[in-house]
Amino acid sequence: DGGITQSPKYLFRKEGQNVTLSCEQNLNHDAMYWYRQDPGQGLRLIYYSQIVNDFQKGDIAEGYSVSREKKESFPLTVTSAQKNPTAFYLCASSIPGGETQYFGPGTRLLVL
Amino acid sequence: AQKITQTQPGMFVQEKEAVTLDCTYDTSDPSYGLFWYKQPSSGEMIFLIYQGSYDQQNATEGRYSLNFQKARKSANLVISASQLGDSAMYFCAMREPLNYGGSQGNLIFGKGTKLSVKP
Repeated sequence: DGGITQSPKYLFRKEGQNVTLSCEQNLNHDAMYWYRQDPGQGLRLIYYSQIVNDFQKGDIAEGYSVSREKKESFPLTVTSAQKNPTAFYLCASSIPGGETQYFGPGTRLLVL
Repeated sequence: AQKITQTQPGMFVQEKEAVTLDCTYDTSDPSYGLFWYKQPSSGEMIFLIYQGSYDQQNATEGRYSLNFQKARKSANLVISASQLGDSAMYFCAMREPLNYGGSQGNLIFGKGTKLSVKP
């Protein structure tokens, strides 16, 4: 079955620690996205990538980093510079400029 | 600036009845797309329906229909014959126009409406 997978489902971060969230898709989509969702809020764009080896900052990129070495994979690193990382993180993919983004199941990040 | 407004934080509907979830948007670009997503308690975002700004007819997908009123800049979601499984958060989103501030058609989301279906 084609789809988007995210792992882990829950992730715990200690103070000063970098953590990486995984996002993999087998939909053959070129574009991939990372969103952050806080309680009672909509989604806010962190980073997006329209093609391999290229990515752009979204609205709230500070404290995050990404890479796009393979078409299927778009990992997100939450760095120690992100002072309020507790949130639900969603990855999505689409064809570039496509009409619909399809989402993974999400990763919930908690700070210890 | 592009903006999506959902004014109903929560809605209740009786099972088997229809319900309308409101969404208004703000854009000065003539070309845009409007989406509705469903987010159950599990967290994943499920695509429901899409309406393009140039589409002449309102979009429909099974029990979902989009009441698109371009002059009023509204794109309300209508769910007919509500089911218990429809209980979830519902988000309206708009695609930014291509090349807007370097964008490649990214989505802007509203804050959502929590729908509860009563048996």
